Formats: sequence, structure tokens, C-alpha cells
Amino acid sequence: SQKIEQNSEALNIQEGKTATLTCNYTNYSPAYLQWYRQDPGRGPVFLLLIRENEKEKRKERLKVTFDTTLKQSLFHITASQPADSATYLCALDGSRGNNRLAFGKGNQVVVIP
Amino acid sequence: DGGITQSPKYLFRKEGQNVTLSCEQNLNHDAMYWYRQDPGQGLRLIYYSQIVNDFQKGDIAEGYSVSREKKESFPLTVTSAQKNPTAFYLCAAFREDYGYTFGSGTRLTVV
Repeated sequence: SQKIEQNSEALNIQEGKTATLTCNYTNYSPAYLQWYRQDPGRGPVFLLLIRENEKEKRKERLKVTFDTTLKQSLFHITASQPADSATYLCALDGSRGNNRLAFGKGNQVVVIP
Repeated sequence: DGGITQSPKYLFRKEGQNVTLSCEQNLNHDAMYWYRQDPGQGLRLIYYSQIVNDFQKGDIAEGYSVSREKKESFPLTVTSAQKNPTAFYLCAAFREDYGYTFGSGTRLTVV
């Protein structure tokens, strides 16, 4: 069966450190993978998209890697700040051509001042 | 200021009642989606529409209906056939390289 797995345990990290989140998937062949941020009671906000032929993408303090052999994406927040505290969702192209995203359950990050 | 507007923010439904959730966009995106989010669960796709006057079922379409008569609007009706409708409903529009733009959601509760 198809799965998208993110760590269910919250990641508690000291301010200024790098937070690293993992997204593993099974039985998908996504053309791209995306990361979103979600705050409580709000809709997710798009952060980054990385395509299957890209190894790494950066945006300000965010970095995403995509390894189609390992079927894994890593999401890094460098120099983390308390304002980065949120839940981060991994989403991938679940059916090529339809842009139907399949989402992971999300991984909460808590940045401690 | 482009975006997705969902209304109402909170909605209460009585048993056996149909309710309609509104979703409007001014992004000029062709594709629109409805997702449902339950506590501790990932987003699950209810319906999506790639173009006006066309829509497809997602993974959990039973008990829901949609229409797409205008590019800007994609309302979702939660019918009495949906046995467990209490959830957070999210509408989104999609454009390649911009990802999904989500609305702020409607929280539906059965009373």
C-alpha cells in the first residue's frame, strides 16, 4: 500500500540550531515533492517544491533534499527561531499529471528560546 | 491581495442536515481541491476540479458533493449521507511552481 511517513514525535530544538525533518514514502513515484508549514487552526502554507531530477533546493534558511533511490526527502531549518515553531507537512505528487497531492501527517517542531 | 476565501470559519450541522461550505479564489488558478483534516491525520482528498464544469472524486468522496460552475468558486456540500462529518475542511487552488494555496479552513461540527 502507499504510505507517506513523517515522525509522529515532536522535534524540540534549541534556538539557533538546525532542525531536520524526514519524509519517507512507499509505492509512489512522484514527479515532485513539496513541504508546507501549518499553524494551529490555519491552512497549510507552501514552502518549497523539489522535482525528481533535483537533489537539493534552498530558500532563505530552508533546505530540502530529495533522494528518489532512498524514497526520502529531508527538510532542514537552519538557525532556527521560536517563530519557526509549527507543524511541517510533506506532500508529494500522488498521481502523475493530476497534481493530486498526497500528504503526510506532519511533524511538529518546537523551537526553545 | 490574491488568495482563497473559505466561509464560514465555524459551522454547526444538525443530524440529517445538508450544509454547504464556500470556497472562492481570485488567483485565476484552474485547479481547485477540497481536503479534510482530522486530528492526528494527514489531509485526505475529497474532490478536485482541474477545470470549470469538470470535477473528480478523491479518496473519500462518499457523502460529499461539489460543483464548479465558475472558475472562481468550488463549493462543497456535506450531505446527510456523510456519517462522520466533524472535521476541519480545507480548500486549495494549485498552480505549478507555486504549490497549493490553501484557505483558512472551515471547522464543521455535528451537534
